[in-house]
Amino acid sequence: DAGVTQSPTHLIKTRGQQVTLRCSPKSGHDTVSWYQQALGQGPQFIFQYYEEEERQRGNFPDRFSGHQFPNYSSELNVNALLLGDSALYLCASLNRGPDGELFFGEGSRLTVL
Amino acid sequence: DAKTTQPTSMDCAEGRAANLPCNHSTISGNEYVYWYRQIHSQGPQYIIHGLKNNETNEMASLIITEDRKSSTLILPHATLRDTAVYYCIVRVDGGYNKLIFGAGTRLAVHP
Repeated sequence: DAGVTQSPTHLIKTRGQQVTLRCSPKSGHDTVSWYQQALGQGPQFIFQYYEEEERQRGNFPDRFSGHQFPNYSSELNVNALLLGDSALYLCASLNRGPDGELFFGEGSRLTVL
Repeated sequence: DAKTTQPTSMDCAEGRAANLPCNHSTISGNEYVYWYRQIHSQGPQYIIHGLKNNETNEMASLIITEDRKSSTLILPHATLRDTAVYYCIVRVDGGYNKLIFGAGTRLAVHP
């Protein structure tokens, strides 16, 4: 049973560019959350998708957007990249049943030059 | 903002118990205490969670004080592979609720 998978694992972009990160949730999970983790800090919640809609959002600008597909996979898009967007981007999935454990992927490490 | 406070770092000898404290003095009655850990450059891994009773699983034990204002995660026999950042999080149960991470405790297990 595959866990949460993310792609790409590493990527380098330059300021002003756009990036798309992808996430496939754990089998049986229908909800996907995205987190940003800067070096030396804990993960920060970006947003969560359920039933193809954004349900919750953290304190991130509109440059950060997402999408969820009918198969529950998800994308995170970041436009007009800034140097400060360099971070590890984590995807977490869960099912909406009583067991609220989140399963995290290994992350996509984005470097903005 | 995170609703928990943890020591920045701790050390533990291999084979000994590691006791990681967490303060959550403003915890609400319907909030659970969750523990995750993150080994270098990997995604966070769920360890254990509880409401008010002590909990134990194959990885660890969670001791919650009677007033629920603090808790301790216990790794009974720490190994080198337990070296990681440990996060204590409080949140309302229900799978759709977000996790708010603090800075965590960096645990170093040494031979």
